Amino acid sequence: QVQLQASGPGLVRPSETLSLTCAVSDYSISTGYYWAWIRQPPGKGLQWIGSIFHNGNSYFNPSLKSRVTISRDTSKNLFSLRLMSVTASDTAMYYCARQPSVKGGWFDPWGPGTLATVSS
Amino acid sequence: DIQMTQSPSSLSASVGDRVTIACRASQNIGNYLNWYQQKPGKAPNLLIYATSILQTGVPSRFSGSGSGTDFTLTISSLQPEDFTTYYCQQSYSTPPTFGGGTKVEIK
Repeated sequence: QVQLQASGPGLVRPSETLSLTCAVSDYSISTGYYWAWIRQPPGKGLQWIGSIFHNGNSYFNPSLKSRVTISRDTSKNLFSLRLMSVTASDTAMYYCARQPSVKGGWFDPWGPGTLATVSS
Repeated sequence: DIQMTQSPSSLSASVGDRVTIACRASQNIGNYLNWYQQKPGKAPNLLIYATSILQTGVPSRFSGSGSGTDFTLTISSLQPEDFTTYYCQQSYSTPPTFGGGTKVEIK
């Protein structure tokens, strides 16, 4: 059964770049599906950040598009998120998840998430 | 973006109660509506997709219905493990968007 595990530095300085990776096990990300990043600020709701298709095409939330890059490393079976110019409002739990399609697609399964705090 | 509005934002109920959570979309989304359960400190877990299809392993006391703009999640008989937060999500258009959540608390 596919499993996802996000990881990252935990603490990022304001104006710097947040970099996270999501390691996928028991399924090759180059085989199929979309692979998504979703975040949740403390005590708040969920926001989709973006997704990368198994062929490398990516899609982003327009509200974050100018600051986001999603890439993949098929040799390591992981995909990554880079969020530039972070502010305190980017403090959140960041989740990675699998998505069967962009339209009509749900998120399942999810990794346990990694907390990223933006603070000086 | 399509706005998703859940109601109520919280509710109190007892074990064995029948509970209904509503989710309204700001425009017609057909049946492109999914439901998640999130327990404290954990990632969301998919319960229902495409309005009414139960994800594998989800107990049959959960059900979903609706179409267009109005949807409901029903728990037919609340169990102790069901007292947590639920989110709806539309997958009709990009960006996919989530409702604000409904917290089910013990009365």
